[in-house]
Amino acid sequence: AAGVIQSPRHLIKEKRETATLKCYPIPRHDTVYWYQQGPGQDPQFLISFYEKMQSDKGSIPDRFSAQQFSDYHSELNMSSLELGDSALYFCASSPRLPGADTQYFGPGTRLTVL
Amino acid sequence: AQSVTQLDSHVSVSEGTPVLLRCNYSSSYSPSLFWYVQHPNKGLQLLLKYTSAATLVKGINGFEAEFKKSETSFHLTKPSAHMSDAAEYFCVVSNQAGTALIFGKGTTLSVSS
Repeated sequence: AAGVIQSPRHLIKEKRETATLKCYPIPRHDTVYWYQQGPGQDPQFLISFYEKMQSDKGSIPDRFSAQQFSDYHSELNMSSLELGDSALYFCASSPRLPGADTQYFGPGTRLTVL
Repeated sequence: AQSVTQLDSHVSVSEGTPVLLRCNYSSSYSPSLFWYVQHPNKGLQLLLKYTSAATLVKGINGFEAEFKKSETSFHLTKPSAHMSDAAEYFCVVSNQAGTALIFGKGTTLSVSS
């Protein structure tokens, strides 16, 4: 079965640089979620989108922005990177049906900021 | 606000013995509860989900969890551990709107031969 695709899988950046992470949801899933997992930490919710509109916002820094496109893929843009942004970034998707709150996760993008 | 508390940060078992990973939840509404597993350097895989249809939920790889409203618990069990079960396990609750997941701190399961 098709899964959530994230690219790139690994990314190394310098402080103050920018990074763009991409997420391609499971076909026919129209809701996308982003999570950040620091080293040894539990995943923290950043932001979610439904039908290209932001549906919820969590602990996402102002330096980060995200959007969902007409083909339902999503991009997380991160600017002025800091050492503390080094983490595993997960994207998840779900179909927008009543009670369908199960989220299916991608393999993650490991961002290292030097 | 909703939250989950995983009562053990680390559980060690021998191969072939039962597994019990404990989770308590707090919610002002009838929650959707999940267990996810994360193997080293891997993504998050859904083990099982509770949605009020049945209190005993069966998941993949022989895992199951029982929802106990009176105890606000959702413990994960497996009758017989396998070496491949060694991983990080997260108890998770959905927020009321279903727009975000809230993770527990995780339990590291170690399995020895």
